[in-house]
Amino acid sequence: KAGVTQTPRYLIKTRGQQVTLSCSPISGHRSVSWYQQTPGQGLQFLFEYFSETQRNKGNFPGRFSGRQFSNSRSEMNVSTLELGDSALYLCASSFPTSGGSYYNEQFFGPGTRLTVL
Amino acid sequence: QKEVEQNSGPLSVPEGAIASLNCTYSDRVSQSFFWYRQYSGKSPELIMSIYSNGDKEDGRFTAQLNKASQYVSLLIRDSQPSDSATYLCAVLNRDDKIIFGKGTRLHILP
Repeated sequence: KAGVTQTPRYLIKTRGQQVTLSCSPISGHRSVSWYQQTPGQGLQFLFEYFSETQRNKGNFPGRFSGRQFSNSRSEMNVSTLELGDSALYLCASSFPTSGGSYYNEQFFGPGTRLTVL
Repeated sequence: QKEVEQNSGPLSVPEGAIASLNCTYSDRVSQSFFWYRQYSGKSPELIMSIYSNGDKEDGRFTAQLNKASQYVSLLIRDSQPSDSATYLCAVLNRDDKIIFGKGTRLHILP
């Protein structure tokens, strides 16, 4: 079974631009979560989508947004880029469990390394 | 108090010994706990999940959970140089968010 894929793998942008990152989950997984990883803050939760609906959101400004399509693929968008947005953006997919928690074991993609100049 | 705390390390362990990684969490109603391994330049890889108090073993790895003490640990037996990585503890909190610790860097000495 193919793993989580993310595109592009590397991206260089300048301040003020916007960027769109894409994530394709493992086949059959309906939940997609996005994280930002930086050396100083570690791995921080951005948001989670399930069945095209944002189910949960972290403490990031409104410049960070996302969506999920009917095939479970997800995109995240960052508008008006700032230098501090330089980070590794990771997407993780999971399969809802019968216990009701949609945050069961998450499987990460390789990430998109975003550099803002 | 941080939601999930780990010692940043580095933790140096001789090859063949037991590596013990610890994690504490603040939300006492948390129900799901995960350990991830992350090699430098790579994405996190799930090693273990644990949901009940006690021990859970998988090969050389044992996860231990003590909800009363709000403490979860990972033991790696017969440590190998390939185990050198950063280990991330993750906890599902009451808001259904997975919160990650900042990780412990483990270095296995050949």
